[in-house]
Amino acid sequence: DAGVTQSPTHLIKTRGQQVTLRCSPKSGHDTVSWYQQALGQGPQFIFQYYEEEERQRGNFPDRFSGHQFPNYSSELNVNALLLGDSALYLCASSPRGQGGRDTQYFGPGTRLTVL
Amino acid sequence: GQNIDQPTEMTATEGAIVQINCTYQTSGFNGLFWYQQHAGEAPTFLSYNVLDGLEEKGRFSSFLSRSKGYSYLLLKELQMKDSASYLCAVRTDSWGKLQFGAGTQVVVTP
Repeated sequence: DAGVTQSPTHLIKTRGQQVTLRCSPKSGHDTVSWYQQALGQGPQFIFQYYEEEERQRGNFPDRFSGHQFPNYSSELNVNALLLGDSALYLCASSPRGQGGRDTQYFGPGTRLTVL
Repeated sequence: GQNIDQPTEMTATEGAIVQINCTYQTSGFNGLFWYQQHAGEAPTFLSYNVLDGLEEKGRFSSFLSRSKGYSYLLLKELQMKDSASYLCAVRTDSWGKLQFGAGTQVVVTP
């Protein structure tokens, strides 16, 4: 049973460019959340997708957008990259019916470096 | 505002016990999680508390006091592989959004 997978593993971009990160949830999970983790900090919630719609959003600008596909996989898009967008981007999946214990499973992350 | 505070770093000797404290002040509360994160890797689930009291799981235990906005993670019989960052996270609503602390780096020395 595959866990949460993310691609690519690492990415280097320059300021002003656009980037797309991808996530496939754990089997049986239909909800995907994205987090940004800067070096030495805890993950910060970006947004959550359920039934192909953005259900919740954290304090991130509109440059951050996403999409969820019918197979529950998801993409995170960041436009007009800034140096401050350099971080580890984590995808977490969870099953329908929140409230259980270990409901969020994290993928290995994509390390984005903006030069 | 919303805050989740935990110490930045703790050092302990192999075989010893370490207690990582976490205090929180959030707009909602629907459970508190502890995750372990090795450098460059994904956070992995350790424990979950939603009611007051102690939850024990092998060498790891976690305690919660909702009235005090306080939790701790207790790591017993420390091993070198326990050197990692430990993240305290509050689930603030029923949909699962997690708010994380900055993490506590635990260094285990021989």
